[in-house]
Amino acid sequence: GENVEQHPSTLSVQEGDSAVIKCTYSDSASNYFPWYKQELGKGPQLIIDIRSNVGEKKDQRIAVTLNKTAKHFSLHITETQPEDSAVYFCAADYSGGGADGLTFGKGTHLIIQP
Amino acid sequence: EPEVTQTPSHQVTQMGQEVILRCVPISNHLYFYWYRQILGQKVEFLVSFYNNEISEKSEIFDDQFSVERPDGSNFTLKIRSTKLEDSAMYFCASSEVLVRSYEQYFGPGTRLTVT
Repeated sequence: GENVEQHPSTLSVQEGDSAVIKCTYSDSASNYFPWYKQELGKGPQLIIDIRSNVGEKKDQRIAVTLNKTAKHFSLHITETQPEDSAVYFCAADYSGGGADGLTFGKGTHLIIQP
Repeated sequence: EPEVTQTPSHQVTQMGQEVILRCVPISNHLYFYWYRQILGQKVEFLVSFYNNEISEKSEIFDDQFSVERPDGSNFTLKIRSTKLEDSAMYFCASSEVLVRSYEQYFGPGTRLTVT
């Protein structure tokens, strides 16, 4: 099955700086890679996703890049703000066909220092 | 904005008891999922459900688990005989699109505590 590795586990950046979180996956058949933000006591919230026919996608301060050859994808947050502090999870679709269950990484605790 | 809702927010039960966790997916969504998250760990896939049957399940989803869509709006996860290690946050999710890759929207979760 799919295996997703995520780094770093904790990331502390100064407000206004950029943050980058990286993930690798094992199954070359995976073709959907979402990113979720989870705030304390809440469910994961989809913030951006990318499909394997695209190398980069941007939404305001958030961007995701995908390298299918190397099987890794990254989340980039620019001009970080205090409300960006949360745990971020990358994920990949689990197996072929039908209603795929997502395989998640272990999460990155992003801390924005004022 | 439509969202996935879950009840209860917190369920405490004794080991060996049966629990039912309830979810109301987004109304026009077709696929439904259950995930769990043990405290401090990653989110793990349990099961997906489409057209009134299980579409896919993980090795975690053993015989003590079952899912049901008892009516047109609710989607339930039943744990037959709870164990201490079932203590976790359980998230329901739903998605709309009938293609292989699609967006899954998560509910706020039910915290299950087994004592």
